[in-house]
Amino acid sequence: DVKVTQSSRYLVKRTGEKVFLECVQDMDHENMFWYRQDPGLGLRLIYFSYDVKMKEKGDIPEGYSVSREKKERFSLILESASTNQTSMYLCASSLIGQPQHFGDGTRLSIL
Amino acid sequence: GESVGLHLPTLSVQEGDNSIINCAYSNSASDYFIWYKQESGKGPQFIIDIRSNMDKRQGQRVTVLLNKTVKHLSLQIAATQPGDSAVYFCAENRRALTFGSGTRLQVQP
Repeated sequence: DVKVTQSSRYLVKRTGEKVFLECVQDMDHENMFWYRQDPGLGLRLIYFSYDVKMKEKGDIPEGYSVSREKKERFSLILESASTNQTSMYLCASSLIGQPQHFGDGTRLSIL
Repeated sequence: GESVGLHLPTLSVQEGDNSIINCAYSNSASDYFIWYKQESGKGPQFIIDIRSNMDKRQGQRVTVLLNKTVKHLSLQIAATQPGDSAVYFCAENRRALTFGSGTRLQVQP
């Protein structure tokens, strides 16, 4: 089975902090993705990566950056956390042209 | 803009009945769709997918139908069980996934 592991299930941070969310997959997938999920807004794509050191902006990249130094790991960085970034963050991975597999999410609260 | 959406926010069925969850999309060029199930506190879980060269695809207790003429797809769950209670999303897969808003399926005993 595909395993996508997000480092934290719950995280509480303060405004202005730099926040790192980590995601690791164990199936040698080329593609990795970060989404946020908010009530009434569904899942929205923040960034994705189709190869090591490659990244592309999604629909809502403002206030975020990403890092993919190794194929199995994709990090989401909140440069200076703000309260409107309180959300559920979901990481996913896939082979090219195949369904994405998701982790169980990190519920992030910014106080 | 282009979108993927679901018809009903909530669907309530009796245990043992068949469930049908509907989804509409707007981009006629869309060629790959995926259904996901999301249980409380978990990430979306892949159920079944379908490409535009097919009208129907079956899995275990699930069937997806794709009508390209009216840009509509549906997920049918046979003999619905309490464990099927969850939010169901259809998603269009292009460079990444574009999700619909989700239908919450409630299974009544």
